[in-house]
Amino acid sequence: GIQVEQSPPDLILQEGANSTLRCNFSDSVNNLQWFHQNPWGQLINLFYIPSGTKQNGRLSATTVATERYSLLYISSSQTTDSGVYFCAVERKDSSYKLIFGSGTRLLVRP
Amino acid sequence: GAVVSQHPSWVICKSGTSVKIECRSLDFQATTMFWYRQFPKQSLMLMATSNEGSKATYEQGVEKDKFLINHASLTLSTLTVTSAHPEDSSFYICSAISGPGQYFGPGTRLTVT
Repeated sequence: GIQVEQSPPDLILQEGANSTLRCNFSDSVNNLQWFHQNPWGQLINLFYIPSGTKQNGRLSATTVATERYSLLYISSSQTTDSGVYFCAVERKDSSYKLIFGSGTRLLVRP
Repeated sequence: GAVVSQHPSWVICKSGTSVKIECRSLDFQATTMFWYRQFPKQSLMLMATSNEGSKATYEQGVEKDKFLINHASLTLSTLTVTSAHPEDSSFYICSAISGPGQYFGPGTRLTVT
């Protein structure tokens, strides 16, 4: 089956720093989403981005579908950005089923 | 929009009992919902697809007789963990499709003693 790999697995930042999270996937996909899981477990949709670039405030994401990777940029990080960031892909044959990467655990220190 | 709720948010039960978890789409209708399980410090693993008005489809390795799914309306899916054992203790999360994306409930933490 399709493999989804995220890097780095863990990241510690000082408040105000910028970071880039990466998601590689091993096959063509219909859809790619980025999520933030807060410390209480809630998954929050960040981006639906099967291709191209999107921005939302301090966050932006780029997916290069032909090269099978996506990047999530966090600028001017805040302590509330702490948590786990997941990318998830939908296989081309799977009817919305998402396959999650292993996540990047981010800690932003004040 | 696209809000999904779950109830209860946490539950403790004794080994051998059954537990029902509800997943509701609050402001949209969902013909398809999904159930995931997440163990501590791990990723989400899809357990099953819940289809309104028809049988659920289960991922490989998930026991359908243990994890009963009922999707009786366009806004409600339930997951019943039958004869729960300590190894079933986990964080259970549902999701529903709205537009091109999936939206997730807040999760239910199940502890089986």
